[in-house]
Amino acid sequence: DAGVTQSPTHLIKTRGQQVTLRCSPKSGHDTVSWYQQALGQGPQFIFQYYEEEERQRGNFPDRFSGHQFPNYSSELNVNALLLGDSALYLCASSLGPSASTDTQYFGPGTRLTVL
Amino acid sequence: GQQVMQIPQYQHVQEGEDFTTYCNSSTTLSNIQWYKQRPGGHPVFLIQLVKSGEVKKQKRLTFQFGEAKKNSSLHITATQTTDVGTYFCAGSAGNMLTFGGGTRLMVKP
Repeated sequence: DAGVTQSPTHLIKTRGQQVTLRCSPKSGHDTVSWYQQALGQGPQFIFQYYEEEERQRGNFPDRFSGHQFPNYSSELNVNALLLGDSALYLCASSLGPSASTDTQYFGPGTRLTVL
Repeated sequence: GQQVMQIPQYQHVQEGEDFTTYCNSSTTLSNIQWYKQRPGGHPVFLIQLVKSGEVKKQKRLTFQFGEAKKNSSLHITATQTTDVGTYFCAGSAGNMLTFGGGTRLMVKP
């Protein structure tokens, strides 16, 4: 039973560029949430996708966008990269969108470095 | 918006000593979840507490949820080197989790 997978593992970009990160949820899960974890800090919620729609969004600018595909996999896109976007980007999947009742399983993350 | 704070930020202990991390929310929580992140790893779910005053144990780990559902604690008895990592609490509101800043535990053998 495959867990949550993310690609790529590491990525280096320069300021102003655009990046796309990918996530495949755990088998049987239909909900994907994305988090940004800066070094030494806790993960911060970016947004959640359920039934191919963005269901809830954290305090992130419109430069951060996403998509969910019919097979429940998801992409996170970040435009006009800033130095401050350097972080570990975590994808978490769950069966159902409620953080109150549905346990989230995290993937290994994508380490993004913006130079 | 909702804020979740954890103390201490760091904790060094000698192997065999006990360890406690505390979590406080600015708002009443639906539930509280605890995660462990090993160095270089990703958060791994440990437990979820839902009821006011709830206490749950996992071997040497004891988790408590406050009566007002605004605070929680994780206590580890007789730490081992395998306990090294950062422990995060996360409170839920709707579809999102709000994580605390974490407590980094270092254990000296």
